[in-house]
Amino acid sequence: AQTVTQSQPEMSVQEAETVTLSCTYDTSESDYYLFWYKQPPSRQMILVIRQEAYKQQNATENRFSVNFQKAAKSFSLKISDSQLGDAAMYFCAYRPAQKLVFGQGTRLTINP
Amino acid sequence: GAVVSQHPSRVICKSGTSVKIECRSLDFQATTMFWYRQFPKQSLMLMATSNEGSKATYEQGVEKDKFLINHASLTLSTLTVTSAHPEDSSFYICSAREFGRGAGNTIYFGEGSWLTVV
Repeated sequence: AQTVTQSQPEMSVQEAETVTLSCTYDTSESDYYLFWYKQPPSRQMILVIRQEAYKQQNATENRFSVNFQKAAKSFSLKISDSQLGDAAMYFCAYRPAQKLVFGQGTRLTINP
Repeated sequence: GAVVSQHPSRVICKSGTSVKIECRSLDFQATTMFWYRQFPKQSLMLMATSNEGSKATYEQGVEKDKFLINHASLTLSTLTVTSAHPEDSSFYICSAREFGRGAGNTIYFGEGSWLTVV
């Protein structure tokens, strides 16, 4: 079965500091996509960053970057210079074909 | 960017009645739409995959006769909760897959719908 595991139910970080959210997944597929989504209190799912499994280079979007380790099936999200607006639930997701499989989520708190 | 609109955002219905939630892709064609349910403080649980012009594919454990899904056009999918009961109260989210455009089949999410059954 394809599963996504986020082992950190909650994380907190000081404003302007860096935080890393962990995610591991289990799959026998070789071609797939990985995503990090942010869900603020409004509940709107917002795409933060995506990674194609065939690409070795780690994806980066401004303050957000990933550490993709395909052999280890690990896909962590690093948020640099944390801002108050980054506070939200973060979901790691895996997609081999059509369906997105989500992890349990990590609630990120930003301390001013 | 692509927009997915979900309506209504909040709905309250009486137990035993049916309620319909709409999911529209506003500026792209969505051959595939997905319906999720999210319980408080939990992750998104995929209920079904909706393909335009064909029957939806339901996930294991989801009652297809209770959660009716129709995807009649390339921009609209509907979820009807039939004979709703209080335990059906939840947050329902749809998403749509943008086909082509070199977008790598990006998936966009609607704003979600809060259903309260009283």
